[in-house]
Amino acid sequence: AQKITQTQPGMFVQEKEAVTLDCTYDTSDPSYGLFWYKQPSSGEMIFLIYQGSYDQQNATEGRYSLNFQKARKSANLVISASQLGDSAMYFCAMRETNTGFQKLVFGTGTRLLVSP
Amino acid sequence: DTAVSQTPKYLVTQMGNDKSIKCEQNLGHDTMYWYKQDSKKFLKIMFSYNNKELIINETVPNRFSPKSPDKAHLNLHINSLELGDSAVYFCASSQADFAGDTQYFGPGTRLTVL
Repeated sequence: AQKITQTQPGMFVQEKEAVTLDCTYDTSDPSYGLFWYKQPSSGEMIFLIYQGSYDQQNATEGRYSLNFQKARKSANLVISASQLGDSAMYFCAMRETNTGFQKLVFGTGTRLLVSP
Repeated sequence: DTAVSQTPKYLVTQMGNDKSIKCEQNLGHDTMYWYKQDSKKFLKIMFSYNNKELIINETVPNRFSPKSPDKAHLNLHINSLELGDSAVYFCASSQADFAGDTQYFGPGTRLTVL
């Protein structure tokens, strides 16, 4: 079963608009971490934001915020005031603890294109 | 200063050859990882080392052999390269090994097997 699901293969947004990238996850572990990474066309993986399963508040990092809805098992990334440089692939990932060997499991990614 | 570095950035080789990719991190982290990103951009963990000890080995052919000479280095050696090994290989590191620990990635090595 897919642990991390990103249903949007591609998204378009105009510069200065906000955009939400969807991510749902599946786990029975009460303790887990959710991460978002950005991969621009240059190829590197850039860490954006983290949300812990026990965190009471939604994580925020500058223009990035995470809309964490635990009951729905969703962890959507919100990018406010989009910039041209936000055009990239975005990956949602989860890290569980129940196996004792934590590993990062990735979704299939969403390609975001920001237009002027 | 580069936190997680990999060499080489590009690697083009013939089928059947043996090649190595090197990874170094200067973050003082205890745990290092190798991930493979296929042509559809899907990322999957291959190996994880904690303090030079192998802790994750994800159904990877034994042609792939990681080696960690010390905490700061994790190299990947691949024997008898096959066409299907063509991918981008990412090294990553994290401070410890718990759910909330952020992994930082290297720039990736694009391996092309001809």
